Amino acid sequence: EPEVTQTPSHQVTQMGQEVILRCVPISNHLYFYWYRQILGQKVEFLVSFYNNEISEKSEIFDDQFSVERPDGSNFTLKIRSTKLEDSAMYFCASSLLAGGADTQYFGPGTRLTVL
Amino acid sequence: AQTVTQSQPEMSVQEAETVTLSCTYDTSESDYYLFWYKQPPSRQMILVIRQEAYKQQNATENRFSVNFQKAAKSFSLKISDSQLGDAAMYFCAYRTPNTDKLIFGTGTRLQVFP
Repeated sequence: EPEVTQTPSHQVTQMGQEVILRCVPISNHLYFYWYRQILGQKVEFLVSFYNNEISEKSEIFDDQFSVERPDGSNFTLKIRSTKLEDSAMYFCASSLLAGGADTQYFGPGTRLTVL
Repeated sequence: AQTVTQSQPEMSVQEAETVTLSCTYDTSESDYYLFWYKQPPSRQMILVIRQEAYKQQNATENRFSVNFQKAAKSFSLKISDSQLGDAAMYFCAYRTPNTDKLIFGTGTRLQVFP
């Protein structure tokens, strides 16, 4: 069964550095998402992406974050200047359709540690 | 604000027994969708079951069923004939038709004992 994959599984970085988290969504899916989960807290929505544009973003997704689909398979989340509070598990998800009851399929996550 | 609450941080069940995980939510919307996701250790979240709010009938997927009480804003998950492979973190989530985002609860860690 097709799965969403994410790399790396764990990323350690110094505060102020840029990081790029990578995701390969399910191949025929058209909608892509990033969520994050700070340790001990809820999974929170960051952004959704469709047709090479952001379709929705949360207030967490400020100017230090950006998303891109650089080719036909990858979907990336860039954090320009990491802060200590960016340490979290970041989940990528994809879906065939948007809205409604359509299932979002999640990747295994990338654990980001900012020192 | 729309919120999802899971009041049981941890639950345990004996193999072959039945367990119910609770979830409540707060919304002023009449049309929405509810989901239960399972996250095994070091694995991705997978959808267990979903419920459309306009459907009165409770959703069922094999050993998994929900008790959806719209007026009470309650959406509990019942796992029958529990198996060792059911051990995982279970997340309740909510979504409206006009938004992309899932709103999650804090999760319930389920342990299954042989």
